[in-house]
Amino acid sequence: DAGVIQSPRHEVTEMGQEVTLRCKPISGHNSLFWYRQTMMRGLELLIYFNNNVPIDDSGMPEDRFSAKMPNASFSTLKIQPSEPRDSAVYFCASSFSSQYEQYFGPGTRLTVT
Amino acid sequence: KNEVEQSPQNLTAQEGEFITINCSYSVGISALHWLQQHPGGGIVSLFMLSSGKKKHGRLIATINIQEKHSSLHITASHPRDSAVYICAVRWSGGSNYKLTFGKGTLLTVNP
Repeated sequence: DAGVIQSPRHEVTEMGQEVTLRCKPISGHNSLFWYRQTMMRGLELLIYFNNNVPIDDSGMPEDRFSAKMPNASFSTLKIQPSEPRDSAVYFCASSFSSQYEQYFGPGTRLTVT
Repeated sequence: KNEVEQSPQNLTAQEGEFITINCSYSVGISALHWLQQHPGGGIVSLFMLSSGKKKHGRLIATINIQEKHSSLHITASHPRDSAVYICAVRWSGGSNYKLTFGKGTLLTVNP
């Protein structure tokens, strides 16, 4: 398997623009996680999907952030409008089940100017 | 507040040295993860353990449930081991999916 795939790997955008990050989990995994990593706060869970259903979105910073998982092989994280404080590395991870080892994607480095 | 503490924050070693990174946590857990992140790179899961000891190549992870402590050991360290090592725990009795992460230990191995 190719592992968790994320795109784009790097994104530079201007404040106010819409940003969409994409994730393809490992085939057969039913749990998908979106994380944000910053120097100040480390790794934070943004949202957790189980069988394509959002289970916990308490980590989503505010209404500007939204996530979807229309099917078992694709998820998006959207920021609209983006702000400079959203600059971070966003990781997607998947696991066979929520209690199993998580496999992380390569991350998307987002810079909002 | 449930916390995960790692030590040291930074560690510099010479190639070939034996490395130990520590992780302590405040309350009971159902599992503990060790992750590796190279500078500017992705995150790789090294171990998931809930008791005892696991070994993979030059890496060994141990956990003492009673003492609420885990260690990650690297034998015969090599410059390619230079990375941030992150401890993460899943609390028992809490959400079975949520991980709480330590702040990481930056390891630099000099040739």
